[in-house]
Amino acid sequence: GQNIDQPTEMTATEGAIVQINCTYQTSGFNGLFWYQQHAGEAPTFLSYNVLDGLEEKGRFSSFLSRSKGYSYLLLKELQMKDSASYLCAVKDSNYQLIWGAGTKLIIKP
Amino acid sequence: DAMVIQNPRYQVTQFGKPVTLSCSQTLNHNVMYWYQQKSSQAPKLLFHYYDKDFNNEADTPDNFQSRRPNTSFCFLDIRSPGLGDAAMYLCATSISGLAGVNEQFFGPGTRLTVL
Repeated sequence: GQNIDQPTEMTATEGAIVQINCTYQTSGFNGLFWYQQHAGEAPTFLSYNVLDGLEEKGRFSSFLSRSKGYSYLLLKELQMKDSASYLCAVKDSNYQLIWGAGTKLIIKP
Repeated sequence: DAMVIQNPRYQVTQFGKPVTLSCSQTLNHNVMYWYQQKSSQAPKLLFHYYDKDFNNEADTPDNFQSRRPNTSFCFLDIRSPGLGDAAMYLCATSISGLAGVNEQFFGPGTRLTVL
C-alpha cells in the first residue's frame, strides 16, 4: 500500500528553527508537496520538490531525497502565526496526490 | 482576486436528510476535487473532475454524488448523511497537466454536522 508518515505533533519556541520530517512509500513518484493548514481552514501550498536537494523560499525550506523516500520542511525564525498543521503529500505514478495526516506544530513564546 | 469559494461554511443536517454543498472557482482551472477531512486526519479524495470527465475513488461510498454543470461550479450531494459523514469537506482546483507543480488551490471548506 501507499503510505506517508509524519510526526503527529511537534512543539517549538518562537524565534527558533524546526524541522518536520516526512517519509513516504508510494507507487511511483512525481513530486512532493508541503501544505500549511491552520485550524479550521483550508490547506495552502508551501513548496514542491521533484528533484533531490533543498528548495528555499524565505523562512521556509524543503528538502527531498528520492532514494531514501524522505523529505523535510525547515521553518526558521519561527513566529506565533506558524502554529498550524503541515501536510506532506506525494504525487504517485498515476499523478494522484497521496496525503499524510499532517504534523501539528505548536509554537510557544 | 481569483479564488475558490465554498458555501455554506457551516452546514447542519439531520441524520438521513439529503444535503448539497457547493463550490465555485474564478481560477478557470479545469480540474476540480472534493475531499473529506476529519480531525487530525489526511484529506481523503472523494472524486475529481478533469474537465467534464468524472473520476470516482474506488472507496467513495455511493451515498456521495457529485455534479459539475460547468467549469466554474461543482456540487457535492450526500444523499443520506450518517453520523460518520460529519467532517470538513474541501473543494480544490488545479490546472490540467499531470507533470509539474500544478498545485491544488483549496476553498475554505464546509464543516458538516450531522445530528
